Amino acid sequence: GAVVSQHPSWVICKSGTSVKIECRSLDFQATTMFWYRQFPKQSLMLMATSNEGSKATYEQGVEKDKFLINHASLTLSTLTVTSAHPEDSSFYICSARAVLALSYNEQFFGPGTRLTVL
Amino acid sequence: AQSVTQLDSHVSVSEGTPVLLRCNYSSSYSPSLFWYVQHPNKGLQLLLKYTSAATLVKGINGFEAEFKKSETSFHLTKPSAHMSDAAEYFCVVSENSNTGKLIFGQGTTLQVKP
Repeated sequence: GAVVSQHPSWVICKSGTSVKIECRSLDFQATTMFWYRQFPKQSLMLMATSNEGSKATYEQGVEKDKFLINHASLTLSTLTVTSAHPEDSSFYICSARAVLALSYNEQFFGPGTRLTVL
Repeated sequence: AQSVTQLDSHVSVSEGTPVLLRCNYSSSYSPSLFWYVQHPNKGLQLLLKYTSAATLVKGINGFEAEFKKSETSFHLTKPSAHMSDAAEYFCVVSENSNTGKLIFGQGTTLQVKP
């Protein structure tokens, strides 16, 4: 149980285009989903917190107009990188916080999406 | 504010020898603590979690960790390393129940030599 999927697993795009990444909780409902980015050999950096039916909360320094987050249902959140540039190339990981895990904040992580912007 | 410090960026052990990955945390309340493992180009897998129950927590693949409040530590151990244990390990503390945010340590790379 508690499986989170991401699609696509990897994507290559041209500079200036937009890329959408999907995050789904497959067998549970997620009150909250989180989006992280990870640069090579570094830790995860939280980008934003996404609650179903409301606007995402972005961390300091993350451009909300560049990284659009939509959380349309309790099982799906999407991250759209708009007008992507080479510096946006990174490993993007989502996680989901299950309704039943509220007491101890466990998050279930997706397998990640490797974005390469040419 | 909560924070977590992994004391070693890189640990190298021989196969069959014990593993110790050190983690210290800072929290103004009783925290939830986690250890995650990440293999190259993969997502994170939960090894174990501490949620204010037993202080000695057993996880998957023979790993365990002990919560020591007096030392604000949550070190990860395994009696005998296996080649497949080579990966990146993250110690994580929860921020608080309202936000659900997790605070990640910088990670420790575990190398296992044959």
